[in-house]
Amino acid sequence: NAGVTQTPKFRVLKTGQSMTLLCAQDMNHEYMYWYRQDPGMGLRLIHYSVGEGTTAKGEVPDGYNVSRLKKQNFLLGLESAAPSQTSVYFCASTRGIPSTEAFFGQGTRLTVV
Amino acid sequence: GENVEQHPSTLSVQEGDSAVIKCTYSDSASNYFPWYKQELGKRPQLIIDIRSNVGEKKDQRIAVTLNKTAKHFSLHITETQPEDSAVYFCAASAVYNFNKFYFGSGTKLNVKP
Repeated sequence: NAGVTQTPKFRVLKTGQSMTLLCAQDMNHEYMYWYRQDPGMGLRLIHYSVGEGTTAKGEVPDGYNVSRLKKQNFLLGLESAAPSQTSVYFCASTRGIPSTEAFFGQGTRLTVV
Repeated sequence: GENVEQHPSTLSVQEGDSAVIKCTYSDSASNYFPWYKQELGKRPQLIIDIRSNVGEKKDQRIAVTLNKTAKHFSLHITETQPEDSAVYFCAASAVYNFNKFYFGSGTKLNVKP
């Protein structure tokens, strides 16, 4: 099993450009999450999904959109990138209920110039 | 929402010494408390977890303790080795809150040979 896979691994965007980050998991997990990691701030939740076709906002959702059309995929979109969105993005998935370990993707390092 | 605080932000120990990292949480309904280790440039990986119905859990050199009354939990690493050097994150989640993980800000552990 590959676990959780993110693409791309690195990306440089110009301010105002758009992009989509793809997360794919092959563990048949119900719940999926997008986090951003900034120095000294831990991981902060952007959006999450509790099943195919569902999405909800996390702590820092502004400037991002998500979709979960298939159970195994969770997409994170930036419509108009800003320098403040320079960060490392991690996707994670969990089985659901009861609470269990979250499995993380390898991360996407995004720089907005 | 849940608020998780983690201390210290950096910790330097001599090889063979013990290391202790502490976290507090605010939501009394949180019931799952994982600890993740993140090496430079890598994804967070679970090292140990504890549920709210357990006070202590050990796995070889690693142990976690939980005090529900005081709403704090701690990671204990004994006989530290240079390969333990990494950033450690605590987290808390609750079933009622879709198992969203709220992370502490991280502790950078440096084990000196």
